[in-house]
Amino acid sequence: GAVVSQHPSWVICKSGTSVKIECRSLDFQATTMFWYRQFPKQSLMLMATSNEGSKATYEQGVEKDKFLINHASLTLSTLTVTSAHPEDSSFYICSAFFRGALAKNIQYFGAGTRLSVL
Amino acid sequence: QKEVEQDPGPLSVPEGAIVSLNCTYSNSAFQYFMWYRQYSRKGPELLMYTYSSGNKEDGRFTAQVDKSSKYISLFIRDSQPSDSATYLCAMSSGNQFYFGTGTSLTVIP
Repeated sequence: GAVVSQHPSWVICKSGTSVKIECRSLDFQATTMFWYRQFPKQSLMLMATSNEGSKATYEQGVEKDKFLINHASLTLSTLTVTSAHPEDSSFYICSAFFRGALAKNIQYFGAGTRLSVL
Repeated sequence: QKEVEQDPGPLSVPEGAIVSLNCTYSNSAFQYFMWYRQYSRKGPELLMYTYSSGNKEDGRFTAQVDKSSKYISLFIRDSQPSDSATYLCAMSSGNQFYFGTGTSLTVIP
């Protein structure tokens, strides 16, 4: 089946630094990628929708200058948490959407990135 | 009304039991219905998907969709401790996706 690779799986950084998370689709060209945030024992919270070659669409309440999303190719999207602070500590998950008969219009998720900001 | 409703549980069953997980939805335009399994500190893993109404079986897992009732189910037969996880239902129409809040399942050996 389709595979989405997300790196790193865990990152610890100092407050004020920036962190980049990569999300790659390995088997299909992903027309759309999604970025989610998840707090412990809570469901997925959609942060933004990223379409290849265009600006990301952010959900209400998500700071676009804080969470920079780049989707430069059909196989790679990146999320950069700029000037990270302890309240940004969370579990970040990307997913890729594969449209078409072969891919069945389904989202496939990465393994997630645990961000800890000291 | 939420687009997708899912009982968060937690649900605790003995090993070998049949587990029934359910979601209801309100949007009749949904065409694809999915179940994901999420272990702690991991991304969701696709378990089953169904297009439109009907049943689909894969090993110990059976997914059912009843579009007339706007109700989907996931059955797990002969449940194992390794099935202990959070199960998320999801549905889509075009590129719009909606997720349930997840049901936490614990299978006790």
